[in-house]
Amino acid sequence: EPEVTQTPSHQVTQMGQEVILRCVPISNHLYFYWYRQILGQKVEFLVSFYNNEISEKSEIFDDQFSVERPDGSNFTLKIRSTKLEDSAMYFCVSKAQRVGAGELFFGEGSRLTVL
Amino acid sequence: AQSVTQPDIHITVSEGASLELRCNYSYGATPYLFWYVQSPGQGLQLLLKYFSGDTLVQGIKGFEAEFKRSQSSFNLRKPSVHWSDAAEYFCAVGAMEYGNKLVFGAGTILRVKS
Repeated sequence: EPEVTQTPSHQVTQMGQEVILRCVPISNHLYFYWYRQILGQKVEFLVSFYNNEISEKSEIFDDQFSVERPDGSNFTLKIRSTKLEDSAMYFCVSKAQRVGAGELFFGEGSRLTVL
Repeated sequence: AQSVTQPDIHITVSEGASLELRCNYSYGATPYLFWYVQSPGQGLQLLLKYFSGDTLVQGIKGFEAEFKRSQSSFNLRKPSVHWSDAAEYFCAVGAMEYGNKLVFGAGTILRVKS
């Protein structure tokens, strides 16, 4: 079964450092997302990405965050200067269909710990 | 705006007993509805989804859910719970428009006692 893969599975970083989380979505999928889950809290939408540009972003996704798909396969989330409150599990998600109720496939997540 | 409410933070059931996890949503039109399960430290696994048609949907691992438009509910059920079902369960709602962003409920932690 096709799957979304994420690296690293766990990253520990110092506050103020830059972090890049990487994702390989399912090939031929068109929509890509990042969600995050702070420990013990609900899963929250961060950003959606289609046709090489952001299509929607949440209030959480401020100027410290950026996404790109540099080579047509990897999909990355960058946090420029991490804060303690960025500690969370970050999920990469991909979806095949352009519109409608296509299934969202979640990766296993990348756990970010900011010290 | 879409919202999802899962009224029960924790539920404990005995192995072999039936289970119902509640989910209520708020959305102006017919939503897409999902149930996901998450084991500790793991990602999200899709249990089932409702898009249209038959309001009783079957999922994996013996789960089912019923969409009730009049009650804005999408409760998850299982007739006989197994110890391996212990996990956290998330209900989510997606809009039909462009993007299909999901909004998740706060989750219900299921404990199974033997």
